[in-house]
Amino acid sequence: KAGVTQTPRYLIKTRGQQVTLSCSPISGHRSVSWYQQTPGQGLQFLFEYFSETQRNKGNFPGRFSGRQFSNSRSEMNVSTLELGDSALYLCASKPPASNYEQYFGPGTRLTVT
Amino acid sequence: SQQGEEDPQALSIQEGENATMNCSYKTSINNLQWYRQNSGRGLVHLILIRSNEREKHSGRLRVTLDTSKKSSSLLITASRAADTASYFCATVLTTDSWGKLQFGAGTQVVVTP
Repeated sequence: KAGVTQTPRYLIKTRGQQVTLSCSPISGHRSVSWYQQTPGQGLQFLFEYFSETQRNKGNFPGRFSGRQFSNSRSEMNVSTLELGDSALYLCASKPPASNYEQYFGPGTRLTVT
Repeated sequence: SQQGEEDPQALSIQEGENATMNCSYKTSINNLQWYRQNSGRGLVHLILIRSNEREKHSGRLRVTLDTSKKSSSLLITASRAADTASYFCATVLTTDSWGKLQFGAGTQVVVTP
C-alpha cells in the first residue's frame, strides 16, 4: 500500500497570507489527524477527522481549520499567517479499528516570512 | 502543556550499547506509543502498548508500561548508527478520540560508530 502523502513538501508564505495543505491517507484509513511541530512547542495535535466529520480539535486559534472529503483526503487551512505558524505540519492516518497506531506522512515544512 | 515528559532529553552512546529512555504521563490512557523521527522528517511508528499490557517486544525494542506509576520505558538493545534519531512517546487518553496523540518532548539519541 502507498503511504500517507502530503503536498506540498515545502512552502514559503508571507505574513497575512493564507495557506492550504493537503493530505492523502493510506487506502482504507478513514481517520486523519494533523499535528504541528515546532522547536519551541514540540508536537501538538491540531485536529482529527473521521468520515468527513471533525472528531476532535486541539487548542489552536480559529485561523486553523480543516476538512475531510468523501475519499478521506484531508486539507488544513491557515488564514492570516503569522511568523509563529512556521512549522512542520504532519498528517497521519490510522486504520478503522480503534486501538491502533498512526501512520505519518513526510510533512509539509511551512516558512512564514 | 504536554501530556508526556521524557527523560533524558538527549542520549549519546556507542554502537553496540543499549539505550534506555523513559516517559511519564499524567492521566489515564488507552495506549502508549513510541515513534522515531529522523532529522525533521515524518514520524515512524515503533511500538504500541495497550493499558492492560506490561511489556512488549519488537526486534531490538522492548517497551514496558507501569500504569500505577504512569510511566513507560523504551529500551533499544545493541544500538546501531542508524538508530540515531529523536524518539517520542505518545499517549491516547481514555477521555479522547483514538486519533488524538499527545506527545512528549522527545529524547534525542546519537549513536556513534
